[in-house]
Amino acid sequence: DADVTQTPRNRITKTGKRIMLECSQTKGHDRMYWYRQDPGLGLRLIYYSFDVKDINKGEISDGYSVSRQAQAKFSLSLESAIPNQTALYFCATSEGTSGSDEQFFGPGTRLTVL
Amino acid sequence: GEDVEQSLFLSVREGDSSVINCTYTDSSSTYLYWYKQEPGAGLQLLTYIFSNMDMKQDQRLTVLLNKKDKHLSLRIADTQTGDSAIYFCAEVKEQAGTALIFGKGTTLSVSS
Repeated sequence: DADVTQTPRNRITKTGKRIMLECSQTKGHDRMYWYRQDPGLGLRLIYYSFDVKDINKGEISDGYSVSRQAQAKFSLSLESAIPNQTALYFCATSEGTSGSDEQFFGPGTRLTVL
Repeated sequence: GEDVEQSLFLSVREGDSSVINCTYTDSSSTYLYWYKQEPGAGLQLLTYIFSNMDMKQDQRLTVLLNKKDKHLSLRIADTQTGDSAIYFCAEVKEQAGTALIFGKGTTLSVSS
């Protein structure tokens, strides 16, 4: 079974709709991250969380919100989706201890906003 | 300017060496990473280098770090068609709590 899972894998929605993307991990990591990937732009950080009570905005947090329901779950919400939020969204986790702090990525959610 | 810059495309023939270059701006980055993204998949850590190192070798992969020029490169020896993917250079942004700042990615195309 995958260590980091994302649901749904694909979603098409309409402008103005509220949508939630979910991420779960079985790695026991404290740190979780949400990134979006756009063609030619690489990955950009939306939000990150060091633990259940610690949530921080990333580079492009406008239009998004998150919820860390438990150590294993980190959800990303678009309150009112707009077309320029069409992208590939990745969740990642890391242990957060000393060392390289490798991030482990989920398979991604492809979101299309019409 | 951009935090991390990479060339967007590289095309090589099978068996040749591939060199993917990256420049970064944050001299305080402790680790620099190379991630690989295969079509339709998430990112997978390929290798990383600690900032006090100049070179790291791992089987077919060689990472070179020039801290003075803030330049990082990834060399893939004996490139195979299975190496075709997007390669991302990334640095740790301490101000963002060890979240990664990625380059735009280099698409490596390997022809047989």
